[in-house]
Amino acid sequence: ETGVTQTPRHLVMGMTNKKSLKCEQHLGHNAMYWYKQSAKKPLELMFVYNFKEQTENNSVPSRFSPECPNSSHLFLHLHTLQPEDSALYLCASSQASDAVYEQYFGPGTRLTVT
Amino acid sequence: GQNIDQPTEMTATEGAIVQINCTYQTSGFNGLFWYQQHAGEAPTFLSYNVLDGLEEKGRFSSFLSRSKGYSYLLLKELQMKDSASYLCAVSDTGRRALTFGSGTRLQVQP
Repeated sequence: ETGVTQTPRHLVMGMTNKKSLKCEQHLGHNAMYWYKQSAKKPLELMFVYNFKEQTENNSVPSRFSPECPNSSHLFLHLHTLQPEDSALYLCASSQASDAVYEQYFGPGTRLTVT
Repeated sequence: GQNIDQPTEMTATEGAIVQINCTYQTSGFNGLFWYQQHAGEAPTFLSYNVLDGLEEKGRFSSFLSRSKGYSYLLLKELQMKDSASYLCAVSDTGRRALTFGSGTRLQVQP
């Protein structure tokens, strides 16, 4: 596979469930991101990882827990979510350096919390 | 902090030209991106501007004025497949992540 992949593409979970979203990039990048996209709202940054280290947490509630075991993989562990957490969750990657590089996005996971 | 404004919706005719504006306020500007996002799909990179002026890429061009905090995306010879949301995003110095505007939903009509 090429580019950025995400699984699952769709997820329905109850408020008491625990689930994980997975992202994998095949671009040789060292920076990875989680974004949340809700209807009619801007893409909201959640977390940034550089060389497996978390460098930014945009005041995300603790019911979202990221994990970056290596530069190619990024997870988002979900537990005790609320209905308002229903959204499209997008993963992205980019080169990691002092310069600015475009981010490549995965297709997203459409999450519905019931 | 950052503030990014762009129109919510625009409509244009196939074959025509459309300009999508974006204004921004940022404490430390480090570049501006335009992305295209079709419904239900991932955003895809269109252009990047860090210096003032016009960058042309085929039917798409992007303009930046740093002193005015202003950019636009120009789409020429519109095609039906150009119907999508167009996202303006700003890179801030000291941060790797981008801050996105709400997006402009463009509808191309026959």
